[in-house]
Amino acid sequence: NAGVTQTPKFQVLKTGQSMTLQCAQDMNHEYMSWYRQDPGMGLRLIHYSVGAGITDQGEVPNGYNVSRSTTEDFPLRLLSAAPSQTSVYFCASRARLDTQYFGPGTRLTVL
Amino acid sequence: SQQGEEDPQALSIQEGENATMNCSYKTSINNLQWYRQNSGRGLVHLILIRSNEREKHSGRLRVTLDTSKKSSSLLITASRAADTASYFCATAGFVISSGSARQLTFGSGTQLTVLP
Repeated sequence: NAGVTQTPKFQVLKTGQSMTLQCAQDMNHEYMSWYRQDPGMGLRLIHYSVGAGITDQGEVPNGYNVSRSTTEDFPLRLLSAAPSQTSVYFCASRARLDTQYFGPGTRLTVL
Repeated sequence: SQQGEEDPQALSIQEGENATMNCSYKTSINNLQWYRQNSGRGLVHLILIRSNEREKHSGRLRVTLDTSKKSSSLLITASRAADTASYFCATAGFVISSGSARQLTFGSGTQLTVLP
């Protein structure tokens, strides 16, 4: 199994640009989540999904959209990038309340 | 607000010593998990302890959970330079019919440095 994969690994955007961070898992996990990690802030939950077709907001959802059309994929969209969205983004998946598996992260810089 | 808060924020020890990190949380949990993150890398799951367990071991790791105090500790024995990393606790609430409280909530982490 590849586990949780994320693309791209690095991205630089200009303010106002849009982009999609891709996340896929091959473990047939119901739950998938997106986090952002900023220095000194730990991980903060952006959006999560408890199954295909079901998404919900986390702690810091503003400026981000998600969709879950399949069990495997959970893309995160930045509609109009802002410098405050400069961060490292992690996608994760898990089965119910068990071990969470993280992707390698996407380092995003917004100029 | 963060559910889990680690203490201390930073810890520096000599190789061979034991390292203890603490985590406090606010609401009832189903389980508590500890993760490690090496610099520039993703998080790696270390150990999960359920609310009805008091202590759990995995290799050089020992985790305790005190639900009455809403706290957990992670002990790394005989530390090595390779243990240098950030350590996070994460809490999982109970699954309820509305679908909420099923996600993990992470603390801000303890940065452990093991000096050779």
